[in-house]
Amino acid sequence: DIQLTQSPSFLSASVGDRVTITCRASQDISRYLAWYQQKPGKAPKLLIYGASTLQSGVPSRFDGSGSGTEFTLTISSLQPEDFATYHCQAGWTFGQGTKVEIK
Amino acid sequence: EVQLVESGGGLVQPGGSLRLSCAASGFTFSRYWMSWVRQAPGKGLEWVANIKQDGTDKYYVDSVKGRFTISRDNAKKSLYLQMNSLRAEDTAVYYCARDDYASGSVWDWGQGTLVTVSS
Repeated sequence: DIQLTQSPSFLSASVGDRVTITCRASQDISRYLAWYQQKPGKAPKLLIYGASTLQSGVPSRFDGSGSGTEFTLTISSLQPEDFATYHCQAGWTFGQGTKVEIK
Repeated sequence: EVQLVESGGGLVQPGGSLRLSCAASGFTFSRYWMSWVRQAPGKGLEWVANIKQDGTDKYYVDSVKGRFTISRDNAKKSLYLQMNSLRAEDTAVYYCARDDYASGSVWDWGQGTLVTVSS
């Protein structure tokens, strides 16, 4: 089974900061990686699929990259509505999540 | 607009059963793989089960095999999860989800229904 390790598990940042979250896979998954955003008490929302394709309606400040076993989600300029938990996913597996909080 | 509305959650004793339902609208239900994904309180997401468009293929996470059954009724545009022999560790919010098979991602999620297993 694929294992996904996200880092960091928690990060504190300010509005306007550039933020990068990493997801490492235990085996080569090509580009079959997705990123989701989840706010407290809400369902996850798909941000990026195929490692780098932005889902319709997702702001362009979100960017995904990577292939094989290492992937990143970058938010170029953090906005107040971006404070949330971010999950990566491949196959049956989700990463453990990265919580982005206000500094 | 895609809508997935779950129902059927609640409080159940260990060893008990529940049946979750998900009513789908806004897309051609019969064309999509569908899944159940759960999230225990304060924890991450866990894929529980998914089912092919015509119901012929079903997959389960090891921890629920033999206890949970996923099914669908394309005529009613509905997805189901029959949960038997429930355990405390099954306590979670259960989300109905529409899969995109090509990308291997979940394109749409319901609002979730809470299942609490406790005596």
